[in-house]
Amino acid sequence: GNSVTQMEGPVTLSEEAFLTINCTYTATGYPSLFWYVQYPGEGLQLLLKATKADDKGSNKGFEATYRKETTSFHLEKGSVQVSDSAVYFCALSSYNFNKFYFGSGTKLNVKP
Amino acid sequence: KAGVTQTPRYLIKTRGQQVTLSCSPISGHRSVSWYQQTPGQGLQFLFEYFSETQRNKGNFPGRFSGRQFSNSRSEMNVSTLELGDSALYLCASSLDGQGPVSTDTQYFGPGTRLTVL
Repeated sequence: GNSVTQMEGPVTLSEEAFLTINCTYTATGYPSLFWYVQYPGEGLQLLLKATKADDKGSNKGFEATYRKETTSFHLEKGSVQVSDSAVYFCALSSYNFNKFYFGSGTKLNVKP
Repeated sequence: KAGVTQTPRYLIKTRGQQVTLSCSPISGHRSVSWYQQTPGQGLQFLFEYFSETQRNKGNFPGRFSGRQFSNSRSEMNVSTLELGDSALYLCASSLDGQGPVSTDTQYFGPGTRLTVL
């Protein structure tokens, strides 16, 4: 079956530190992979996506590369800001049906 | 283009009551999915509707139901509310949702915060 596993949080970093949030997946077929971000009190916002192996999604300084050989889609940012404090969700979309599988979310706290 | 809208944003109900939540997808989107988000269980898929038909269903009891109208707007209903139904209910829409093309991206609304007392 399909599933997504994310690293446990919370992750606490100082401003300008390097961020990595690990995400691995199990899927049949060729899923699309996504990162969503949820700010306090809000719904989920699409951060970036990749639809095939070796694709790199990027947005607002965040990047993630679709690695089929390691079934991973790790989120990275070179220099985090306080405003990046949020919960980050890794997700995959199954091939044949519009069914999303979300990871458990990783809370990021960035301190000034 | 307007985003996904959900109404109401906040609801307070008592045990045993029923509630209806509404979701208006992005114009042109035909697939609408519903999720329940709680601190303990995280994001859990409830169901997905496409062209007025329930296409996918998660593992929730029959008290949770939904429907979709011809304009793609969707409603979900929870009957006989329990304390454990307190959650943020998120709606997401996408263009279509089948196949490998980039029509499967889900766009989320702000959610409806339901509190059951």
